[in-house]
Amino acid sequence: DIVMTQSPDSLAVSLGERATINCKSSQSVFYRSNNKNYLAWYQQKPGQPPKLLIYWASTRESGVPDRFSGSGSGTDFTLTISSLQAEDVAVYYCQQYYSTPPSITFGQGTRLEIK
Amino acid sequence: EVQLVESGGGLVQPGGSLRLSCAASGFTVSSNYVSWVRQAPGKGLEWVSVIYSAGNTYYADSVKGRFTISRDNSKNTLYLQMNSLKPEDTAVYYCAKAGGGTALVLGYWGQGTLVTVSS
Repeated sequence: DIVMTQSPDSLAVSLGERATINCKSSQSVFYRSNNKNYLAWYQQKPGQPPKLLIYWASTRESGVPDRFSGSGSGTDFTLTISSLQAEDVAVYYCQQYYSTPPSITFGQGTRLEIK
Repeated sequence: EVQLVESGGGLVQPGGSLRLSCAASGFTVSSNYVSWVRQAPGKGLEWVSVIYSAGNTYYADSVKGRFTISRDNSKNTLYLQMNSLKPEDTAVYYCAKAGGGTALVLGYWGQGTLVTVSS
C-alpha cells in the first residue's frame, strides 16, 4: 500500500502570510504514460465533509480561490496558501489515487490555525 | 446540483450488521464512480470502497470480506452493507462522487452518517 505522510501535523500562520503543507508518498504516484501525478488535496472544516481543492497535484477545482496552489511530482508534494484568510482554518489532507487495483490513501491531515 | 444524502447509521453491537444508504440527485449513480469514505471520531479520513460505472467494486483491506458496496439504479441510491462489525468500524461514513475527471478524486460529498459499534 502507498503510505502518505504529511508535515507538519499542525501549523499556525498569521493572517495574510503564506502557509505551506507538505505531503510525501512512500512510492511515486507519477504515471509516465499520461504525465500525471495522482495526487489530490482536500480541506475539511469542523463539522463539514471534506472539500476537494486540487487534483492531478496542481489542477485547482472549479470555484477554489487562486490563493490555493499545488505543486510537486513523484513522491513530494506541497499545498500552498499564498495569503492566509480566516476562512482557511481547517484540516488539510493529501490523497493518492495511483494504486492498482484501485484504492485511495489519505495523509494523516495537517491542522491549520491562525497565529 | 449534485446532492448526496446518507442514512442508516446508528448504534450496533459488535458482530452485528448495518446497511447504509446514499440517495443521490443531480446525477445518475449507475453512470458514475461513487465511493464510501469513513472518519473515526477525531481522526483522519479512510477510504472504504468504490463502485465503478461498469459495476466493478473495490475495497480497503480493513473491510474486505465484511462490507459490500452496491447500488439500486431504479432508486439512484448507493448502499454499503456492513457485516461482522467491529468497534474500530465506528466512524462517520460519507459517500462521495468522483470529480476531477477521474474515478478516485472525490469531488462531491454527502454530510455523512454516524455508525457506532459498541456493546
